[in-house]
Amino acid sequence: EAEVAQSPRYKITEKSQAVAFWCDPISGHATLYWYRQILGQGPELLVQFQDESVVDDSQLPKDRFSAERLKGVDSTLKIQPAELGDSAMYLCASSRGYGYTFGSGTRLTVV
Amino acid sequence: GQSLEQPSEVTAVEGAIVQINCTYQTSGFYGLSWYQQHDGGAPTFLSYNALDGLEETGRFSSFLSRSDSYGYLLLQELQMKDSASYFCAAGSGGYQKVTFGTGTKLQVIP
Repeated sequence: EAEVAQSPRYKITEKSQAVAFWCDPISGHATLYWYRQILGQGPELLVQFQDESVVDDSQLPKDRFSAERLKGVDSTLKIQPAELGDSAMYLCASSRGYGYTFGSGTRLTVV
Repeated sequence: GQSLEQPSEVTAVEGAIVQINCTYQTSGFYGLSWYQQHDGGAPTFLSYNALDGLEETGRFSSFLSRSDSYGYLLLQELQMKDSASYFCAAGSGGYQKVTFGTGTKLQVIP
């Protein structure tokens, strides 16, 4: 069964440092999403790509977060500088229809 | 904006039936999905309703009423492994944006 690959699985970083997450969607899935999930809450959309173009980044804190999907395949989400409140699970998902497939996520802890 | 409401917790007995409700306020709504998430895991897709009515997938069924902005997930013959969080998610807009609810934590007890 095809999977969405994410790395790293866990990341601990000090506040004010830079951190990056990587995602490789299912082959052929044009739509890629980055979500943030705080413990006990639902996933919150950060950014949505259609191929290499951003189609929704209205909830992305653009002063510190950036995302790219240069060739329309894999994607990187970066935080610089990280803040304590960024501690959460960062989930990548891809789709070509109405159902998402999520990766295993990156659990970020900012200390 | 978009908002979805679900009960925060539900407890049910193994072998029983449980219904998890979801009400939504979403502009440009086109469909309601349901996801299951075990502790520490990623959400997994369960079902999708674009039209009014019931969709059945094995032990799980999902219902949608667009006129009432309401849906539910029905789990039958509950098993211990069904203990997880369940999220409804509303799709809207031309680029398939999906907004998730706050989730319902289901505890199945013996």
